[in-house]
Amino acid sequence: NAGVTQTPKFQVLKTGQSMTLQCAQDMNHEYMSWYRQDPGMGLRLIHYSVGAGITDQGEVPNGYNVSRSTTEDFPLRLLSAAPSQTSVYFCASSLPTSSSGNTEAFFGQGTRLTVV
Amino acid sequence: EDQVTQSPEALRLQEGESSSLNCSYTVSGLRGLFWYRQDPGKGPEFLFTLYSAGEEKEKERLKATLTKKESFLHITAPKPEDSATYLCAVRGGGGYNKLIFGAGTRLAVHP
Repeated sequence: NAGVTQTPKFQVLKTGQSMTLQCAQDMNHEYMSWYRQDPGMGLRLIHYSVGAGITDQGEVPNGYNVSRSTTEDFPLRLLSAAPSQTSVYFCASSLPTSSSGNTEAFFGQGTRLTVV
Repeated sequence: EDQVTQSPEALRLQEGESSSLNCSYTVSGLRGLFWYRQDPGKGPEFLFTLYSAGEEKEKERLKATLTKKESFLHITAPKPEDSATYLCAVRGGGGYNKLIFGAGTRLAVHP
């Protein structure tokens, strides 16, 4: 049981390049989300999904795109990378709050992205 | 606006020296306060969930408590392996499990 798996672990991009950060979970969680973590700041929500085919914006969505075609996968696309997107990105999954089970979020190990 | 503030930003302890980390929050309709541990280069690891004022949870040397405005993470007789960043997050109202995170407290425990 791997939990939440993110790839790649590290990436360097040039300004203007595009790329996709991959996220997969094997816990059959309906909810998935992407956060970014910057020094001195809390994790901030970029985009989230409450199920396959359903996505919505978080608090810092500009410059990012998501889609959710399966329950397991939730990729994050950077359309045209900018230095301001240099950050550590975390994917998380959880059960809905309406669930009778524990609803804490499980996080992946992160992708450290540098845009030069 | 939902907000989480953690203090102190950094804390240095000697092994065995007990202390507390603070998490102050404002949120409309609290649906859970979460504590996570984060080691360098790793993702946050879940520790506790608290739902109502007066609730307490314990795990080894850690004990989390909750009031209507803040939560404390008490660390009793810490060991060097407790060194990490501790993150606090709240889940407020709305249809999604959105978490609002504080910036964290970096804890260093020295032998």
